[in-house]
Amino acid sequence: AQKITQTQPGMFVQEKEAVTLDCTYDTSDQSYGLFWYKQPSSGEMIFLIYQGSYDEQNATEGRYSLNFQKARKSANLVISASQLGDSAMYFCAMRESNSNYQLIWGAGTKLIIKP
Amino acid sequence: KAGVTQTPRYLIKTRGQQVTLSCSPISGHRSVSWYQQTPGQGLQFLFEYFSETQRNKGNFPGRFSGRQFSNSRSEMNVSTLELGDSALYLCASSFSTGSGEQYFGPGTRLTVT
Repeated sequence: AQKITQTQPGMFVQEKEAVTLDCTYDTSDQSYGLFWYKQPSSGEMIFLIYQGSYDEQNATEGRYSLNFQKARKSANLVISASQLGDSAMYFCAMRESNSNYQLIWGAGTKLIIKP
Repeated sequence: KAGVTQTPRYLIKTRGQQVTLSCSPISGHRSVSWYQQTPGQGLQFLFEYFSETQRNKGNFPGRFSGRQFSNSRSEMNVSTLELGDSALYLCASSFSTGSGEQYFGPGTRLTVT
């Protein structure tokens, strides 16, 4: 079974609109961490935001926020006021003790911002 | 603070050859992890080193090996290269193993012909 599922292979969004990228995860661990990374066409993986399983508040970092719904095992990334520079691949990842804390990755969502 | 650096950025090798990739983590970071990214398989974990010890290993054949030096710099070696080893190899560093975010380098794009 997939540990991290990103159901949107690709998305087109108009500039300045908000966008939600979906991520669901599967773990039996009580303690785990969820991450979102951005990968532009240059290839470098850029850390965006982190949510710990025990964090009661949703994580926010500037225009990025993580909509964490623990019971639903969902960790969606919300980008507010999208910009052309947001066009990239976005990956959801998880670290759990069951997997020796290695990062387990989703397949990614290709986001294209239209001017 | 300087980011994670990887050398070389691009590499072309022939089947059967071997290759060594290098990664210098962010200053103060002691954990280095390596990932392989291909269009078909996505991102896959190779191994993690912390304080010169391999702490974790992914499901890759023994042709893939690595090491970490006392200054936390890490190298990854692939012997007897196969066409399927063509990939982007990403290195990530973090302060400690097992928790916290990882910061990635720009990657080494390896092409095997």
